[in-house]
Parts: sequence; structure tokens; C-alpha cells
Amino acid sequence: QKEVEQDPGPLSVPEGAIVSLNCTYSNSAFQYFMWYRQYSRKGPELLMYTYSSGNKEDGRFTAQVDKSSKYISLFIRDSQPSDSATYLCAMSANNQFYFGTGTSLTVIP
Amino acid sequence: GAVVSQHPSRVICKSGTSVKIECRSLDFQATTMFWYRQFPKQSLMLMATSNEGSKATYEQGVEKDKFLINHASLTLSTLTVTSAHPEDSSFYICSARASGGPYQPQHFGDGTRLSIL
Repeated sequence: QKEVEQDPGPLSVPEGAIVSLNCTYSNSAFQYFMWYRQYSRKGPELLMYTYSSGNKEDGRFTAQVDKSSKYISLFIRDSQPSDSATYLCAMSANNQFYFGTGTSLTVIP
Repeated sequence: GAVVSQHPSRVICKSGTSVKIECRSLDFQATTMFWYRQFPKQSLMLMATSNEGSKATYEQGVEKDKFLINHASLTLSTLTVTSAHPEDSSFYICSARASGGPYQPQHFGDGTRLSIL
């Protein structure tokens, strides 16, 4: 079983839709949770970072962590074509980082 | 803040050439830097972790003599692909983590696309 599971998609939504991206994990030691956005031929860009259960909001983005279910989500409200990218979840514990495989998102104008 | 600069962004060279890639943290000190390789439509594959002033820790299956890593200062790490061959062609990405504790996230450079002819 992989440490982090993420549906690779691809996910295609119309502009303005709410997008939900998810990851599950198996290691209860994970303490810190991150979401990265990666455009084609670019490095990942840190979007959200949290270390506790609950929600964290930043503009159109909301990161949700449920440690009891070992499940994290990223919600994108009012999605835009510029949100089209691959989204990677990441988690860390004991100075080790684990990345999901990434979900490819396309927002159609 | 937290900007990581990676150079060059693109390299095309002949087989047998050695290629050096630089990774710099521009506005923070990075005690730890990571080097990844990414194949098309795949996730990041960690190659090695380097801490400033010490030898890099390589992941299983990564050749130390092939991929030389130097982390001589708190803002600079280099990856040298020695005697590169076509199978080394890939997208290489570095990341840096600021000092200040294990809760610091990684910040990534924009990657280097290496093509060996």
C-alpha cells in the first residue's frame, strides 16, 4: 500500500465550478499537509500548508484535513481556466516527505 | 517570499557530457535541499536529500557517482550529471526547505529539462 493515494484523474470541469481534489494516507504519523500546483514544464508551487485537522482558507482555495479518516481535500471555488494544472498533495512526518501522484485538472472556458 | 531559482531551465547536449544544475534559495536560508526527477505525467521521484555542509543522502537505486550533489552553502546546491547518456534525459527539479524546524514545507524551483542526444 502506498503511503499517499491520489486519483490521477484527469478531471475536467466547466469554468465557475467547485473543484474537489482528494488524497488519502495510511501513516497516522503524518503531521503536516501541503497542496502544490504544477503547471506543465514548471516546478510545483506551494498553494496551501496546514498541520492540524480542520479547514484553512486562502482566497478561492480551501484545504481540509481529517486526521481521523486520514483524508485531505483541496477545494477550488469559482474555478478558472488558469487553474488548469496538476495538483499534488504532500505530507510529512519525521523530516520525511511523501507526495501523491498528482491530479490533472482542466477547467473549460 | 520563499523563492527558489533553478538554472539552467533547458539543456541539450551530447552523450558523454557532464551537466551541472544549480539550485538557489533567493530569500531564505535552506538547510536542506532535495533533488527530484520527474518523468512525463508521473509524480516526483526523490533522488537525494542534501544538508548544508554534509554529504547527500541518496535514495535506493540512485548512483552517487553518476549524480554528484554539492550543498556548499545555505543558499546553493548543485547537481552534476556526470557522463550523461540518453537515458538520463528527464526533468530535474530541486526544492529547498528553510531552517526553523520540521514543519517547514518544501519550495520548488522551476526545473531543468535535460535532453541528451
